[in-house]
Amino acid sequence: GAVVSQHPSRVICKSGTSVKIECRSLDFQATTMFWYRQFPKQSLMLMATSNEGSKATYEQGVEKDKFLINHASLTLSTLTVTSAHPEDSSFYICSAREQGKGAKNIQYFGAGTRLSVL
Amino acid sequence: AQKITQTQPGMFVQEKEAVTLDCTYDTSDPSYGLFWYKQPSSGEMIFLIYQGSYDQQNATEGRYSLNFQKARKSANLVISASQLGDSAMYFCAMRGGIQAGTALIFGKGTTLSVSS
Repeated sequence: GAVVSQHPSRVICKSGTSVKIECRSLDFQATTMFWYRQFPKQSLMLMATSNEGSKATYEQGVEKDKFLINHASLTLSTLTVTSAHPEDSSFYICSAREQGKGAKNIQYFGAGTRLSVL
Repeated sequence: AQKITQTQPGMFVQEKEAVTLDCTYDTSDPSYGLFWYKQPSSGEMIFLIYQGSYDQQNATEGRYSLNFQKARKSANLVISASQLGDSAMYFCAMRGGIQAGTALIFGKGTTLSVSS
C-alpha cells in the first residue's frame, strides 16, 4: 500500500514552545490530508482536514490558532502546535488518501507523533 | 450525522481460534465505505479490509473477512485462526460519500488479546 511518513515520532518540549509535525505522502499525491488526535486507549478524533493550496477545515472545538495547518504541496502537510501546554500532550496522527482510486479510496496513516509537554 | 459503534471494549481469544469484532454504523448517505484498521501498541494504523455499501459480496483479505449486513447496519470483522501477533486495538471506521475531502470517522475500538 501507499506510504505516509510522519516526523518526528516523539517530541518532548517545554510549556510555551511551538512544535511542528510533518506529514508526507511518499509515493502518491494527496490534495487532502487529515489530522487526528488520540488520547490513550481512546479513539481517533478528527481535528482538521488539510487542503492543498487552501485553508484547512477545522472540526468543531478545535482551535485553529492553536493548531496551525499548512498544506503547501501535494505531498506535504504540517501541523504546528503553538504555545504548547501540558493539556496538548497527546498522540497526533496524520492521514492521506490517494487520488483517483475511486470509491474505495483507502486512507493511509502516518506512524504518529507522541507529544509530551512538560 | 454519521456514527460508528463498537460495543466490545475488550475481547479475549486463544491462538488458532476465530474471533468476531462487532461494529454497527449509522448514516443517511446511500453511498459509503466501511473500513477496519488495526493499531498495535506502536501506534501505527494498519488498514485491514474495506467494504463498499454497494458491494454485493462480503469482503475478504486473507484471514480477515467482513460480515456485512446492510439491513442491520452492521459490519463485523471476523479474524480466523488468531495469532499472537493479532493482539492489538481494532477500529471500525466509515466514510460517507466518495468525495476526496471526506474523512474517516472511527468507533471507540476493541482491544483484542490473543493468548497461547
